Amino acid sequence: NAGVTQTPKFQVLKTGQSMTLQCAQDMNHEYMSWYRQDPGMGLRLIHYSVGAGITDQGEVPNGYNVSRSTTEDFPLRLLSAAPSQTSVYFCASSSRVHTDTQYFGPGTRLTVL
Amino acid sequence: AQSVTQPDIHITVSEGASLELRCNYSYGATPYLFWYVQSPGQGLQLLLKYFSGDTLVQGIKGFEAEFKRSQSSFNLRKPSVHWSDAAEYFCAVGALDTGGFKTIFGAGTRLFVKA
Repeated sequence: NAGVTQTPKFQVLKTGQSMTLQCAQDMNHEYMSWYRQDPGMGLRLIHYSVGAGITDQGEVPNGYNVSRSTTEDFPLRLLSAAPSQTSVYFCASSSRVHTDTQYFGPGTRLTVL
Repeated sequence: AQSVTQPDIHITVSEGASLELRCNYSYGATPYLFWYVQSPGQGLQLLLKYFSGDTLVQGIKGFEAEFKRSQSSFNLRKPSVHWSDAAEYFCAVGALDTGGFKTIFGAGTRLFVKA
C-alpha cells in the first residue's frame, strides 16, 4: 500500500491564481480530511469528508473547496490564492470518523506571493 | 468549545534522560485522545491513543501516556530518550462538535535532544 499520497510536494503561486492539491489513499478509508499547518498553531481542519459524495467544513474553510467523487480521492481547490494561504497542507484518512487513527500524507508546502 | 493546550513550545533533554510532554484538554465528556509525532519534513504518525479502559496507554517507540480525568491531562512520557526522538509532538482530542466529530490538535511541542 502506498498509504496517503499528496501532490505536488511544493508549489509557488501568485496572488489570485487557482490550483488544486491532490490527495489519494489506497486503504479504502471512508474518512478523509485536509489540514493546514502554520507555525505555533498546530493543525487546523479545513474540510473533511465522511464518504464519497459527502463533504463538510472544518475550522478554516474560507477560500477552499473540496469534492469527493470517489473513495480514493479528495482534492483541495484554492479558488483565488492569497498570501494568508501560505502554509503546509496535509491530507489524512481514517477508516472511521475521528475516533480512529488518522494516516497522514507527506504534505504540500504552498507559498503564495 | 473544545481545546487542546500544550504548554511547552519546545523542550530540550539529554540523550538517555526521561521525557514528559504535557497536554491539557477542555471537553465536557470523555474525549478520545491521541499523540502524534512529526519528524522534519514528514507527515504525522500516531504514537498512541486512548478511548477508554486502562488510563495508562502504551504506544510505539517506547512511549506511554496517562489519562488523568481530574486534571484534564494526557501527558506523554518516555523513560530514556534517543537522539532519533527529536521531532515535533502533537496532542489531539477527538470530540463531538456542532458539525460532527472532529479532531482538534494542540500547537505542538518541539523536542530537541542533546548528546
